[in-house]
Amino acid sequence: DVVMTQSPLSLPVTLGQPASISCRSSQSLVYSDGDTYLNWFQQRPGQSPRRLIYKVSNRDSGVPDRFSGSGSGTDFTLKISRVEAEDVGVYYCMQGTHWPRTFGQGTKVEIK
Amino acid sequence: EVQLVESGGGLVQPGGSLRLSCSASGFTFSTYAMHWVRQAPGKGLEFVSAISTNGGSTYYADSVKGRFTISRDNSKNTLYLQMSSLRAEDTAVYYCVNGLRGTLDYWGQGTLVTVSS
Repeated sequence: DVVMTQSPLSLPVTLGQPASISCRSSQSLVYSDGDTYLNWFQQRPGQSPRRLIYKVSNRDSGVPDRFSGSGSGTDFTLKISRVEAEDVGVYYCMQGTHWPRTFGQGTKVEIK
Repeated sequence: EVQLVESGGGLVQPGGSLRLSCSASGFTFSTYAMHWVRQAPGKGLEFVSAISTNGGSTYYADSVKGRFTISRDNSKNTLYLQMSSLRAEDTAVYYCVNGLRGTLDYWGQGTLVTVSS
């Protein structure tokens, strides 16, 4: 199985400051069709997860533009340009290239 | 509006069986692959199983292979997960999720399965 490794696992951030989460995969996530199926999900406390980013850098409708995704191959990053209080929660990367799908361990974002 | 409503969770003894259902609306069910993802209490997300649009292809995590069976009824817009030989480590919230190639789109609210004597 493809192992997804996130860092850091805990991320205390000051309101208005940037935040960055790394996600590395044990194999390339480039699919045979040329696309890279790396997704980012946010899970707020007490809620179901929701997708923020798909195919590395495509932001979902309704997701603030302070969220951005980047990367290629096996190395990916989620950035929040200016953290707001509503961004508190756990963030997961997930690969959709190989079966079974696998998730990172999650990164807990909290306000300092 | 996409809605995914899971049901069928509850308390079951080790070795027992349970069938989860997921009722879908707000999208063309037959054109989406469907997934089950679980989350043990206080833990991260774990892929459980997935099924293609027509049910012809199914996928399982090694941890549930041979014990869980995913199926769907496109005429009823419903996804199922038949779980047998349940273990304590299967205790989790089970989410129903739709998705196109390589991604998971919308998540249900989840149903809690507790395996305990």
